[in-house]
Amino acid sequence: AQSVTQPDIHITVSEGASLELRCNYSYGATPYLFWYVQSPGQGLQLLLKYFSGDTLVQGIKGFEAEFKRSQSSFNLRKPSVHWSDAAEYFCAVAPGYSSASKIIFGSGTRLSIRP
Amino acid sequence: NAGVTQTPKFRVLKTGQSMTLLCAQDMNHEYMYWYRQDPGMGLRLIHYSVGEGTTAKGEVPDGYNVSRLKKQNFLLGLESAAPSQTSVYFCASSDRVLRDTQYFGPGTRLTVL
Repeated sequence: AQSVTQPDIHITVSEGASLELRCNYSYGATPYLFWYVQSPGQGLQLLLKYFSGDTLVQGIKGFEAEFKRSQSSFNLRKPSVHWSDAAEYFCAVAPGYSSASKIIFGSGTRLSIRP
Repeated sequence: NAGVTQTPKFRVLKTGQSMTLLCAQDMNHEYMYWYRQDPGMGLRLIHYSVGEGTTAKGEVPDGYNVSRLKKQNFLLGLESAAPSQTSVYFCASSDRVLRDTQYFGPGTRLTVL
């Protein structure tokens, strides 16, 4: 069955520190990959996406993610976090073999920022 | 552009009552979705639509009905609300295919007592 896993439920990092949020998926073909962010009380906003090409993807707000086929991962990174990055982050995946494939969301990782 | 809007923002129902959540998008998107978000479970797809006049079941469709009479609107109905339907409901839309980038509304927080 198709699945996407975010192993970390909650992460706390200090302001200015680097960040890496993990995402693993289980598909045979190269999937379409997304990271969304949800600020408190808000809907989800797209941070970045990967469909094909360069495996290192740049997104908004200084985030980047790297697709690693061998590890079935699409981890989100930021070199230096800001207090405003406190939010919930969702990895999402859609199989790439069909345009009818639906996006499946992970269970989310809540990010807290330590002053 | 307002993007995706949802009405209402909050609602409290008693068990057995009915209600309709309205989603509207002004981006001329073909695809629209209804999700529910529960703690620790991410987003689960309830129903979706691939165009005006069409609807399809998602992962958790039981207890919900939907209609897409106009391209810009997607309605989610609860005919007889149950406490298990207490959740935050999100509407989203996308342009060309189901796996395309989705744009989300701000959500509706529903409590069923």
